[in-house]
Amino acid sequence: EVQLEESGGVVVQPGGSLRLSCAASGFTFDDYAMHWVRQAPGKGLEWVSLISWDGSSTYYADSVKGRFTISRDNSKNSLYLQMNSLRAEDTALYYCGKDKLRMGELSIDYWGQGTLVTVSS
Amino acid sequence: QSVLTQPPSASGTPGQRVTISCSGSSSNIGSNFIYWYQQLPGTAPKLLIYRNNQRPSGVPDRFSVSKSGTSASLGISALRSDDEADYYCAAWDDSLSGPVFGGGTKLTVL
Repeated sequence: EVQLEESGGVVVQPGGSLRLSCAASGFTFDDYAMHWVRQAPGKGLEWVSLISWDGSSTYYADSVKGRFTISRDNSKNSLYLQMNSLRAEDTALYYCGKDKLRMGELSIDYWGQGTLVTVSS
Repeated sequence: QSVLTQPPSASGTPGQRVTISCSGSSSNIGSNFIYWYQQLPGTAPKLLIYRNNQRPSGVPDRFSVSKSGTSASLGISALRSDDEADYYCAAWDDSLSGPVFGGGTKLTVL
């Protein structure tokens, strides 16, 4: 059974940093691209970042480019999101998701339950 | 303001067919695959349609997609009460070099 479990969400002050993690199990992690998608309270989905199966290709939404860094450790079946210079508008539930493909498109066939990041003073 | 435009709400009665539209541009829907996600209240999103018209296993053929030019629509036939959810379209955008989601449509089954 495919499982994705996010962690690391906390309350952080504006300008602060945070690292989210996503532990994957139940599938061959290094065969698939992975995504981060967020959802602000009461709002819609916003794609954040994508990393290919081997980490060689990464993509970011304009809203986080230069502040967030996606990475993966295939030896640990783990996905990460380093978040710097956090802003109030980054407050959201952050989901990690598995793509159906190695390089990734937008076929996110499995999702975690999300981890809540709150940016507030 | 989302790059992909969806109506904020839609409704129908059980057994009816409803459609949800998604309007984009030549840099996204016009040149790339369309995807649809369903998000039931309080849960994570679920992939409903990928690569324009492919259904993951377990998704019934009551869900279908039509696409023309820079627009697409999700059709749900034989509407059921448990179809009540938020629906999101998504596509890769060549200008942004990444995927974009629509703003979402809340479907109410009356």
